[in-house]
Amino acid sequence: DAGVTQSPTHLIKTRGQHVTLRCSPISGHKSVSWYQQVLGQGPQFIFQYYEKEERGRGNFPDRFSARQFPNYSSELNVNALLLGDSALYLCASSPEPNTEAFFGQGTRLTVV
Amino acid sequence: QQQVKQSPQSLIVQKGGISIINCAYENTAFDYFPWYQQFPGKGPALLIAIRPDVSEKKEGRFTISFNKSAKQFSLHIMDSQPGDSATYFCAASGFGNEKLTFGTGTRLTIIP
Repeated sequence: DAGVTQSPTHLIKTRGQHVTLRCSPISGHKSVSWYQQVLGQGPQFIFQYYEKEERGRGNFPDRFSARQFPNYSSELNVNALLLGDSALYLCASSPEPNTEAFFGQGTRLTVV
Repeated sequence: QQQVKQSPQSLIVQKGGISIINCAYENTAFDYFPWYQQFPGKGPALLIAIRPDVSEKKEGRFTISFNKSAKQFSLHIMDSQPGDSATYFCAASGFGNEKLTFGTGTRLTIIP
């Protein structure tokens, strides 16, 4: 069975650029969440979507946005990149909110 | 009230020994408590999870102990092996607060 897949795996961007990260959840899972993990810290919640509706948003600026598509895949967009946005971006899928969440391998974003 | 406090920050255990990692929470609305294992450069992998209706859950060498009155839960790794060397995160979520709130992580090293 395919797990959570994220693309790309690595990305280097310049300050001020925008980036789009993609996530395909486990088949049958309708909830997708995005997390940011800075080196040496635990993942921090960015967004949660369930049945294509936003269910929650973490303490991140409006430069961060996301959406979920009819096939339950999701994308995370970050505009006007800052050096501090460099991190591992993780996508997690769940059958529904507040149930077991399975993470992808992440997208390593480096902003230079 | 949203924090999950994790200790110790790092832990060294001899092969065959028991590794114990502790977490404490404040939000009484939390009702789902998973543990994740993360290797460098990889996404977190779900190890084991518990809900407050039971005080202990065991899966193979991994056991969660849960103390609802103290608002604490812990991960025990029996017969620890070098392959268990990784960073471990506890997390919590609940109805109406369905994002995962992570602890700060424990770097576990198993020595021969």
